[in-house]
Amino acid sequence: DIVMTQSPDSLAVSLGERATINCQSSQTLLYSSNNKNYLAWYQQKPGQPPKLLIYWASTRESGVPDRFSGSGSGTDFTLTITSLQAEDLAVYYCQQYYSFPVTFGQGTQVEIK
Amino acid sequence: QVQLVQSGPEVKKPGASIKISCKTSGYTFTTHYVHWVRQAPGQRLEWMGIITPSGGTTNYAQGLWGKVSITRDTSTSTVYMELSSLTSEDTAVYYCARAALSPTNTFFDHWGQGTLVTVSS
Repeated sequence: DIVMTQSPDSLAVSLGERATINCQSSQTLLYSSNNKNYLAWYQQKPGQPPKLLIYWASTRESGVPDRFSGSGSGTDFTLTITSLQAEDLAVYYCQQYYSFPVTFGQGTQVEIK
Repeated sequence: QVQLVQSGPEVKKPGASIKISCKTSGYTFTTHYVHWVRQAPGQRLEWMGIITPSGGTTNYAQGLWGKVSITRDTSTSTVYMELSSLTSEDTAVYYCARAALSPTNTFFDHWGQGTLVTVSS
């Protein structure tokens, strides 16, 4: 199975500042035939299911604010939240869907400083 | 709108079985695969299995073979996940999730609200 490792485990960011979350996979998520990275990002607030934010590493899901962006390729990926808002307090997960079974990172807790 | 509504929380004794339902609506049931994912306390999300709503074909995580069974009822657009021989390690929140792509290499665009299963003597 592909192992997904996120860093940091938690971070505290002031309102209006930038939050950066990293995700590394144990093998490439870039499929050469279509040049797509099989990587998604989710936001999970307390007591709620995960919510899809980003797929194909950088495509924002409909309705997701544009302060959320994804980047990276191959084995190293980043989720950036520019201008952090109070409602962004949550745990963020990356997920690979390059190979079966799909696997998730351990999560990154974003707190308000 | 797309909805996946799961059955309520459960408390079970070790060795028991549990069957959780996931009723879907807002889309054509047979056009999207449904997966089950669980989240134990303090642990990462763990993929459990998948069912093809049209034909009922299933596939399960290797570590859960023989313990998990996923079925569906096309007349009610409902998917079921049954877990047997429960232990304390099965204490978790269980989610059904709709696949955005087909069938196994996918991300999930809609999730059920989650069902808390507590296994305790």
